Amino acid sequence: GESVGLHLPTLSVQEGDNSIINCAYSNSASDYFIWYKQESGKGPQFIIDIRSNMDKRQGQRVTVLLNKTVKHLSLQIAATQPGDSAVYFCAEHRRGGGADGLTFGKGTHLIIQP
Amino acid sequence: DAGVIQSPRHEVTEMGQEVTLRCKPISGHDYLFWYRQTMMRGLELLIYFNNNVPIDDSGMPEDRFSAKMPNASFSTLKIQPSEPRDSAVYFCASRHGGATGELFFGEGSRLTVL
Repeated sequence: GESVGLHLPTLSVQEGDNSIINCAYSNSASDYFIWYKQESGKGPQFIIDIRSNMDKRQGQRVTVLLNKTVKHLSLQIAATQPGDSAVYFCAEHRRGGGADGLTFGKGTHLIIQP
Repeated sequence: DAGVIQSPRHEVTEMGQEVTLRCKPISGHDYLFWYRQTMMRGLELLIYFNNNVPIDDSGMPEDRFSAKMPNASFSTLKIQPSEPRDSAVYFCASRHGGATGELFFGEGSRLTVL
């Protein structure tokens, strides 16, 4: 896909295993965090979000954890499936940043091994 | 809903030529964003509109880039003249005003400038 490149960190897991994708953010004023998934040849797709007043949020097979002390965000995917293979981006929204306040990370390439 | 629709999906052109990328946002969304994605720089916001009005174009690289939104269902991003360093995937995204982080992306226009 267009977003996959030699410079992206890669995580390879066996199908059925759990995966954890990590993201460090920089702005302590960020009030909202989002994970996006980008499959090859497609645009990013919203997965799950979390507000800064929370430390955990669960969705279907996905869990996002937020540690504001160390400015760390993680996305856990349970029982990975081949369709989970994609590049995953975290994004942070700056408090007061307005509509354009989203800053995207560089992404992590998740590969699901059969 | 068909989602955000972009055209063309692929464009190959020669340096110096004019390039026009098109976007149809999701009906009812009042924010429209243009992003550029490269391996080196990731996803970069170029410009965004609210109710068809350009709000922030500080991400537009140079005067060679321009964007318009003549009505709520159509936007263009134009590069004139194009240069090889403009080669990238250009994404259009839209969202409803009340949803800060959940952007809906199109499938992108992959531009190659020779």
